[in-house]
Amino acid sequence: AQTVTQSQPEMSVQEAETVTLSCTYDTSESDYYLFWYKQPPSRQMILVIRQEAYKQQNATENRFSVNFQKAAKSFSLKISDSQLGDAAMYFCAYRTAYNAGNMLTFGGGTRLMVKP
Amino acid sequence: DGGITQSPKYLFRKEGQNVTLSCEQNLNHDAMYWYRQDPGQGLRLIYYSQIVNDFQKGDIAEGYSVSREKKESFPLTVTSAQKNPTAFYLCASSLNRVAHSNQPQHFGDGTRLSIL
Repeated sequence: AQTVTQSQPEMSVQEAETVTLSCTYDTSESDYYLFWYKQPPSRQMILVIRQEAYKQQNATENRFSVNFQKAAKSFSLKISDSQLGDAAMYFCAYRTAYNAGNMLTFGGGTRLMVKP
Repeated sequence: DGGITQSPKYLFRKEGQNVTLSCEQNLNHDAMYWYRQDPGQGLRLIYYSQIVNDFQKGDIAEGYSVSREKKESFPLTVTSAQKNPTAFYLCASSLNRVAHSNQPQHFGDGTRLSIL
């Protein structure tokens, strides 16, 4: 079974600065998908960014980018020019590519605080 | 606008009582999921359904039951057998039933269940 680990329970960043959230995963599969979800205080889960394991290029979405290291099984999220609205819980998630169930395995989350 | 609607937002259960959480989606998604989230933790999969009239147990199915009589609806019943039901429950859906697709899951706003 796959596992996803987020080793930083809490992180803080100054507004306008850059922060990196860590995520590692354990799998024996070669094809899979990785996601970062944001959960603000409203508790809604919002997709931030996704990465296909077969792609070497790191995904980017505006101020959000990932550093995907397949050999190291690492998938970190970088948030540039941090804004107060970025304060939330961030969850890393793994999905296998080998079945149609699309089930996600989530990490335990990192709480990001943004200081004005 | 298309989306996922969970109701109620807050729910209280008495000891020995079954309660049902509603989840409706108008995204025309094939697959639907139920997750449980405990304070400060990630999401754990309770049940999922890939097509109508079919569903499978997730990692923590004991004490829960589901039905999938319509594509749009995937209600979750928390039975009296679930000894620690106090948690935040999230419903999600996704488009694909095909492997090798990066389609993400879309989430509802959640239901908070508490024991009286």
